Amino acid sequence: DIQMTQSPPSLSASVGDRVTITCRASQSVRSYLSWHQQKPGKAPKLLIYAASSLQSGVPSRFSGSGSGTDFTLTISSLQPEDFATYYCQQSYTIPDTFGQGTKVDIK
Amino acid sequence: QVQLVQSGAEVKKPGASVKVSCKASGYTFTGYYMHWVRQAPGQGLEWMGRINPNSGGTDFAQKFQGRVTMTRDTSINTGYMDLSSLRSDDTAVYYCTRAAVAVTGGAFDTWGQGTLVTVSS
Repeated sequence: DIQMTQSPPSLSASVGDRVTITCRASQSVRSYLSWHQQKPGKAPKLLIYAASSLQSGVPSRFSGSGSGTDFTLTISSLQPEDFATYYCQQSYTIPDTFGQGTKVDIK
Repeated sequence: QVQLVQSGAEVKKPGASVKVSCKASGYTFTGYYMHWVRQAPGQGLEWMGRINPNSGGTDFAQKFQGRVTMTRDTSINTGYMDLSSLRSDDTAVYYCTRAAVAVTGGAFDTWGQGTLVTVSS
């Protein structure tokens, strides 16, 4: 199975901050990498697919980059509604696997 | 609009089975794989398996092989996940979600609301 490792596991940030979360795959997943946001008690929500494509309706302050084994999710200016847990997911090969999550909370 | 609506919460005893349903609407049911993902309390997301609603073909995570069954009824656009021999560590929220490689590279673009399954004696 492909292991997905996110860093950091958690971070504290302020509204307006630029936030970067990284995800590393144990082997190449090409660009089959997506990012999901999850708020407490809610289902995950797709933000980015194919490593850098913004899902319809997602604010443009979210962006993704990378290919192969190293990927990044960036929030250019953190907003109050962005405090949540973020997961990367590879869909290159079965079984699909997720990173362990990065919790973003208020500083 | 595209929607996945799951069945309600369940409480089961150890050793029992649970069947969760997921009704799709707003899109061509047979055009997207249906996946099942679970989340234990306070934990991350765990992929369980998928079904091709067109063919009925399935793939499962090795961890669940022999304990999980995924089926679908195309006449009512509904998928089902059946987990048997339940243990306390199967207590989790179970999500259905859809994916199409040609559309989003296999990313899960729509999720059900989740179904809490509690296993307790």
